[in-house]
Amino acid sequence: DADVTQTPRNRITKTGKRIMLECSQTKGHDRMYWYRQDPGLGLRLIYYSFDVKDINKGEISDGYSVSRQAQAKFSLSLESAIPNQTALYFCATSDSSVVGGGNTIYFGEGSWLTVV
Amino acid sequence: QKEVEQDPGPLSVPEGAIVSLNCTYSNSAFQYFMWYRQYSRKGPELLMYTYSSGNKEDGRFTAQVDKSSKYISLFIRDSQPSDSATYLCAMSVSGGYNKLIFGAGTRLAVHP
Repeated sequence: DADVTQTPRNRITKTGKRIMLECSQTKGHDRMYWYRQDPGLGLRLIYYSFDVKDINKGEISDGYSVSRQAQAKFSLSLESAIPNQTALYFCATSDSSVVGGGNTIYFGEGSWLTVV
Repeated sequence: QKEVEQDPGPLSVPEGAIVSLNCTYSNSAFQYFMWYRQYSRKGPELLMYTYSSGNKEDGRFTAQVDKSSKYISLFIRDSQPSDSATYLCAMSVSGGYNKLIFGAGTRLAVHP
């Protein structure tokens, strides 16, 4: 089983609908992230959480919200989906907030979301 | 202008070729430089990490950072079909994962 599991892996939803993407991890990491990947734009950070009570906005948080239900679970919600939120979404975890010393960030396999 | 520029490719090479992947950047304060490999329908995985300038080698992979030119490179020697993937550069000022800036990724295809 994957260490970072995202559900659903694929979803088509209609404009205006609420959609939740869920992420769970078995790595025991306290830091979790949600990224969005668009062709030509690379990965952009939506939200991040350094522990259960610590939630922070990333580069592109407008239109999104998150919930850290437990150390191992971090969900991303689109309250009212719009077509330009069609993208590939990644959840990620790390056991440290900084690069180096062997620390790295681990990504899930992604959730394809299409808003029609 | 984007902070990190990366040619999206695709780049197609024969097996055994030396591959050069590059990124340029505009923020001279970047100090942490990474390369991620992303296979189709998978999440990115860290391939190489370099702090500040210089070279780093790991098997067939070499990462180079030229801070004076604001230019980083990833070289793949003796490329294999299994190297076919998208390669993303990423960089950070402070090293924080919440402050990583990614390039758009270069798609590489190595054909037998």
